[in-house]
Amino acid sequence: SQQGEEDPQALSIQEGENATMNCSYKTSINNLQWYRQNSGRGLVHLILIRSNEREKHSGRLRVTLDTSKKSSSLLITASRAADTASYFCATDASGSNYQLIWGAGTKLIIKP
Amino acid sequence: GAGVSQSPSNKVTEKGKDVELRCDPISGHTALYWYRQSLGQGLEFLIYFQGNSAPDKSGLPSDRFSAERTGGSVSTLTIQRTQQEDSAVYLCASSLGWGQRKNIQYFGAGTRLSVL
Repeated sequence: SQQGEEDPQALSIQEGENATMNCSYKTSINNLQWYRQNSGRGLVHLILIRSNEREKHSGRLRVTLDTSKKSSSLLITASRAADTASYFCATDASGSNYQLIWGAGTKLIIKP
Repeated sequence: GAGVSQSPSNKVTEKGKDVELRCDPISGHTALYWYRQSLGQGLEFLIYFQGNSAPDKSGLPSDRFSAERTGGSVSTLTIQRTQQEDSAVYLCASSLGWGQRKNIQYFGAGTRLSVL
């Protein structure tokens, strides 16, 4: 079953605005990852945040993790048309020995 | 290779035919994953390999689905007697293994399977 749930399911914003997506999960985790998928093809890893970290940055990406609320957010600042994609969170549950648990994804559309 | 390679990129087949999908992972990656993704949906886990062993096949939808991995490298996913509901994108990913950054998964471009 899917542990991660993203919201919103879809988000449409103007180019230049910031986009925020959220992910919730159910069990204790070792780390949480965010991936991007363009045009229904392969996913690309964006960023990994460990359970003992609260915030992480990579370029225009900012990820936060709140283990007490079992939630994470992905912020994309100064969005560009090229950021149009689906974004997925994935968690590795503590005690799991191989499987990432994937959310259903947020579809982000950046309008020029 | 530089990345995960999947072939074919597109496959159109007739209902009832068998298909074979191939995945060539990143060299040195011991873990290999197969997922299925229907249009507009999330990832459905199918099977995981650690080396040549598949500890968990519980994600395979039916006994028409099978997968193998040889030499700790290339994997093939076989679907026998294809049905229209098998139509989806089949994604392969590989990783160094497990534990912290080792479980970052690198994906191929996928095989889009259409069953007519």
